[in-house]
Amino acid sequence: KAGVTQTPRYLIKTRGQQVTLSCSPISGHRSVSWYQQTPGQGLQFLFEYFSETQRNKGNFPGRFSGRQFSNSRSEMNVSTLELGDSALYLCASSTLRGPHTEAFFGQGTRLTVV
Amino acid sequence: AQKITQTQPGMFVQEKEAVTLDCTYDTSDQSYGLFWYKQPSSGEMIFLIYQGSYDEQNATEGRYSLNFQKARKSANLVISASQLGDSAMYFCAMREGPNFGNEKLTFGTGTRLTIIP
Repeated sequence: KAGVTQTPRYLIKTRGQQVTLSCSPISGHRSVSWYQQTPGQGLQFLFEYFSETQRNKGNFPGRFSGRQFSNSRSEMNVSTLELGDSALYLCASSTLRGPHTEAFFGQGTRLTVV
Repeated sequence: AQKITQTQPGMFVQEKEAVTLDCTYDTSDQSYGLFWYKQPSSGEMIFLIYQGSYDEQNATEGRYSLNFQKARKSANLVISASQLGDSAMYFCAMREGPNFGNEKLTFGTGTRLTIIP
């Protein structure tokens, strides 16, 4: 069974540009969450999608957005990139089968803004 | 206030020894879940173990066990017989409220564990 796949693995962008990151969840998983990991702020929740609907959103500016498609694949977009957006972006998927449901993470996309 | 506190930024442990990684949490919810994840240098977060707030017994998964003390709001991870491959960052995380409708995990700052041969 394939794990969570994130593409691309590495990305270098210039300030002011926009970027789109992709996440393919484990087959059958309908919930996809996104996290930003930086040395200064640690792991922070961005948003979560379930059945193409955003259910939860973290405390991030509107430049950060996402969507989920009917096949549960998800994308997140960051517009007008800032240097502080440089981070490891992690995607997680889960099945919502009960209280013991763990989130499975991908290897992340490392974004560098120059 | 921090919802998840990991007070050990780094630990060095001799191979084959047991190690305890500390985690305390803060929540007013009665229903919550506690998770431990391992993050090697590759970046992927690897699920290790889960403890539910209503679970009466401490969770165990192979060499991993969770020392859950609900009254003290602590959920320490114990790794028995440590191996060189255990060297990584370890994160404690919490999901608050009923499982359905909230997949948000709140993470601690992590502990970097280094196993010494």
